[in-house]
Amino acid sequence: TQLLEQSPQFLSIQEGENLTVYCNSSSVFSSLQWYRQEPGEGPVLLVTVVTGGEVKKLKRLTFQFGDARKDSSLHITAAQPGDTGLYLCAGQGGFNKFYFGSGTKLNVKP
Amino acid sequence: NAGVTQTPKFRVLKTGQSMTLLCAQDMNHEYMYWYRQDPGMGLRLIHYSVGEGTTAKGEVPDGYNVSRLKKQNFLLGLESAAPSQTSVYFCASTTAGEQFFGPGTRLTVL
Repeated sequence: TQLLEQSPQFLSIQEGENLTVYCNSSSVFSSLQWYRQEPGEGPVLLVTVVTGGEVKKLKRLTFQFGDARKDSSLHITAAQPGDTGLYLCAGQGGFNKFYFGSGTKLNVKP
Repeated sequence: NAGVTQTPKFRVLKTGQSMTLLCAQDMNHEYMYWYRQDPGMGLRLIHYSVGEGTTAKGEVPDGYNVSRLKKQNFLLGLESAAPSQTSVYFCASTTAGEQFFGPGTRLTVL
């Protein structure tokens, strides 16, 4: 059983479209991270959100942490082919342990 | 500054064989982790270490052992490989939140 549920699992969109990826849990985390992973490589950190209700922006990417620190969303505006990849959320628990969601595989077609 | 390195990159084992995966980091990080990644499952924590000489079990520790004799190295051992251990294995390290991942080891057990 995954502690963190991500949706959707797969997303295929045209360049220029907007999209939102969700990461939900019944557990409270001290922080939540979003990673992007490309084929054949390890995940790379995009952002860490710590405070309930926090919103962070990274160019065309907007990340939000739920008020109760149980869920998060990633919104991409005007997606580009370079955004293609696997997006993973990870919740930080005790002893600096991290629990990953199952991932959202995004494909942005030119 | 190499970051996190993993050896080997690829390996094929027969059922019952043993092997050791090596992870090395040059960032002086206290925490190190071993994950496995399977299709549709995100990353699952196998074992982790909060410092030199310490190890602890993660979500899926059965069939694996680890050692952290030196701060910069974290070894993952498979004593008797099984086909269910076919996966991509990632090592990561951190000191205060952001995890830095290695490039992964693709292991196939026949």
